[in-house]
Amino acid sequence: EDQVTQSPEALRLQEGESSSLNCSYTVSGLRGLFWYRQDPGKGPEFLFTLYSAGEEKEKERLKATLTKKESFLHITAPKPEDSATYLCAVQAVGSGGGADGLTFGKGTHLIIQP
Amino acid sequence: EPEVTQTPSHQVTQMGQEVILRCVPISNHLYFYWYRQILGQKVEFLVSFYNNEISEKSEIFDDQFSVERPDGSNFTLKIRSTKLEDSAMYFCASRRQGAGEQYFGPGTRLTVT
Repeated sequence: EDQVTQSPEALRLQEGESSSLNCSYTVSGLRGLFWYRQDPGKGPEFLFTLYSAGEEKEKERLKATLTKKESFLHITAPKPEDSATYLCAVQAVGSGGGADGLTFGKGTHLIIQP
Repeated sequence: EPEVTQTPSHQVTQMGQEVILRCVPISNHLYFYWYRQILGQKVEFLVSFYNNEISEKSEIFDDQFSVERPDGSNFTLKIRSTKLEDSAMYFCASRRQGAGEQYFGPGTRLTVT
């Protein structure tokens, strides 16, 4: 069974204080790993896709990295508007082909204080 | 920028009633999905749909659930006889051919009383 574990569950930072969020995964065969941002009462908003170990993607203050067992979402000099829940999800190679659903972690609730 | 849209934003229904949740995926996307998120819990996959048929479904997607693409733009999730435990946010998502990322709609909050 595919599993995604995110840590920490919650993180409170001061504005400008850089940190990293962790996503550990167990999957029979990885088709892709995805990072999403979710604001309260809203749908997940796509951030990054990573396909293979060693891959890195960057967007503004966020940088995602991938190894064979885990992914990190690094946030550099965060601002209060970066406050949200960050979700990690994996898509496994399965019987549904490219249509396989995503398996999500519980997320990291990030609060950036001014 | 194209978006996935969902209606209604909030649906209240009585236990045992049928509900239909509606989604309009992004126009050039070919893969469609439904997920649910019970309050305070993680997002869970329900079903994927491609080429007018179900591609994959989870254990949650039992006989009380069905999906349909009634026309070229809409994608629906029907729950035949709602239970209290069906109360959740339901998200529709879509993906284009050749890309991995799925784009999610804003969700429909379903409350079963």
